[in-house]
Order: sequence, then C-alpha cells, then structure tokens
Amino acid sequence: AQSVTQLDSQVPVFEEAPVELRCNYSSSVSVYLFWYVQYPNQGLQLLLKYLSGSTLVKGINGFEAEFNKSQTSFHLRKPSVHISDTAEYFCAGGSGGGADGLTFGKGTHLIIQP
Amino acid sequence: DTAVSQTPKYLVTQMGNDKSIKCEQNLGHDTMYWYKQDSKKFLKIMFSYNNKELIINETVPNRFSPKSPDKAHLNLHINSLELGDSAVYFCASSQKGTGYTFGSGTRLTVV
Repeated sequence: AQSVTQLDSQVPVFEEAPVELRCNYSSSVSVYLFWYVQYPNQGLQLLLKYLSGSTLVKGINGFEAEFNKSQTSFHLRKPSVHISDTAEYFCAGGSGGGADGLTFGKGTHLIIQP
Repeated sequence: DTAVSQTPKYLVTQMGNDKSIKCEQNLGHDTMYWYKQDSKKFLKIMFSYNNKELIINETVPNRFSPKSPDKAHLNLHINSLELGDSAVYFCASSQKGTGYTFGSGTRLTVV
C-alpha cells in the first residue's frame, strides 16, 4: 500500500532564506506525487505535481520539487521564502490518478520568521 | 467558474441531527471523492466514486452515506451526528492521468 511520510511537522525559517520540506513515499508501483498548500482556514491549493517525465517539477509561487526514485523522495524547495508562505504543506501520492484517491502525509507547518 | 464547489462552507449543528453536504464539479472528471481533515489537520480519504459507482469505502461509520446522482455530483449525508464528526470535509475530483482538484471544504461543527 502507498504511504507518504513528511519527516518534519514544523519548519521555522527566516524570511528570504531557502527552505526544503521533506517527503518520502513508499510504493511498489508507479506513483503520482503532489504537493498542496493550505493557508489558515482555507482549502487545498495544488503547488505542483509529478506524473511522469522530467524529475524536476516547477510549481506556483516559486516552489519546485525533485522526484528521486532511488531515494523514494519528493522534497519541496523554495530558494527564498516570504511571510506569505506561512501555511501547512501536504505531500500526497496516488498510484494511478484514478479512483484510488490520494494518500496524504501528515503535513508540515512552515513558519516564516521576520 | 469554480471547478469543485461544496455547500455549505460552514455547518454548525447539534448532536443527533442529520445533515448533508453537497459537491459539484464542472471539470468533466469521472471520479469524485470525500476526504476528512481532522483537528490535527490529517487528511484521509473516506469514499470515492467513479461514474456514479462506489469504488472506495474506507472504514467510516455507517452513519456516513455518499450519494452520486450523476458523475458531476457527490453528496455526503451524515445521520445521528456525533461530537467526533466535527472536522473539515473536502470534496475532490480527478481524471486518470491528471491531477486532483479539491473543493474549498466544509467546516462541520457538532455541538
């Protein structure tokens, strides 16, 4: 069965510093991987997705992620964060994009410090 | 146009009541889902429907019953609401080979 692990429940970072949010997955089948952001009291917004092709995926708001099959990782990165990036970030995986649905990690709370 | 829309956005109700949450998608996707986000923000799938057919029914109390009148709609009916049902419920849709689109959520508070 698919499982997704976000290693850090909370990541504090100073404004304009780089950040990496870690995500590892386990699966014996091909995977689709996603990062979603949830701002306080709001819904889930897709940041980026890996379905196939290039392992470096660029998303919205300056975020990018790299699919690493050998390390079963899909870490999210941003070179310079802003106060407005403060939010909960979820990594999620699905085996086929069909009716299986997504398995979510437990989320990482990104805290930007001025 | 909102791709996946849920109503209501907020729902406050007393224990023991029955309530429904509605979801509609205009993306032409074949599959729709209900997810529950608990107080610790953990997201877990409850149900999925593909072309009106129930595909996934996770370990969810029988008090929760999804209904899909057509492939663009997936409603969630909850009987005899309990305090522990308080959560944010997200509807989503997908098409195989593409991504998943989520609604903005329904915050259910049972008092």
